[in-house]
Amino acid sequence: GESVGLHLPTLSVQEGDNSIINCAYSNSASDYFIWYKQESGKGPQFIIDIRSNMDKRQGQRVTVLLNKTVKHLSLQIAATQPGDSAVYFCAENPNDYKLSFGAGTTVTVRA
Amino acid sequence: DTAVSQTPKYLVTQMGNDKSIKCEQNLGHDTMYWYKQDSKKFLKIMFSYNNKELIINETVPNRFSPKSPDKAHLNLHINSLELGDSAVYFCASSHPLNYGYTFGSGTRLTVV
Repeated sequence: GESVGLHLPTLSVQEGDNSIINCAYSNSASDYFIWYKQESGKGPQFIIDIRSNMDKRQGQRVTVLLNKTVKHLSLQIAATQPGDSAVYFCAENPNDYKLSFGAGTTVTVRA
Repeated sequence: DTAVSQTPKYLVTQMGNDKSIKCEQNLGHDTMYWYKQDSKKFLKIMFSYNNKELIINETVPNRFSPKSPDKAHLNLHINSLELGDSAVYFCASSHPLNYGYTFGSGTRLTVV
């Protein structure tokens, strides 16, 4: 099976609140991790990435945290907006020519 | 300008038929991929090609045959379609120095 998984299949969040999406991975050899957002009817879209020599990386309204000790990855979305409703995937690269994806978390933003 | 484009977007066909999905990228990437997304949204790699050469074949039935005429194109041909082939198929590409993938918008294949 795949080595990357998400803790929760769904997340409902109030507009304006912060969202935290979690992911656990099992391949210690992976040195690169990416979060993707997939909206209905579209392909996955790159959000933010992080390499294994970092613990934290920030983008615009998003932060990725990496805990290599427990093989845990999280995505934090600040001030969640209706446009953030989508399926979110974490992915890791066990080798140069492959990304392994987790099962995805469906985020629903309540108005 | 679409970075990774796939055609067709929708494909409905009968069991036993043969069909092809085309993919083109204009990003100058060296590596291209096919992923399959099932009804539970799980994304699984099928193939990866680097500079027209097959790098990964992830235990995909040999009814699936990818073809890369040049590094900007990666097509997927499927023989003897089965009900279980129904899924969304995504093409993607990446640059060797930047692992982030760019995905196409997907081809929804329905086998009836």
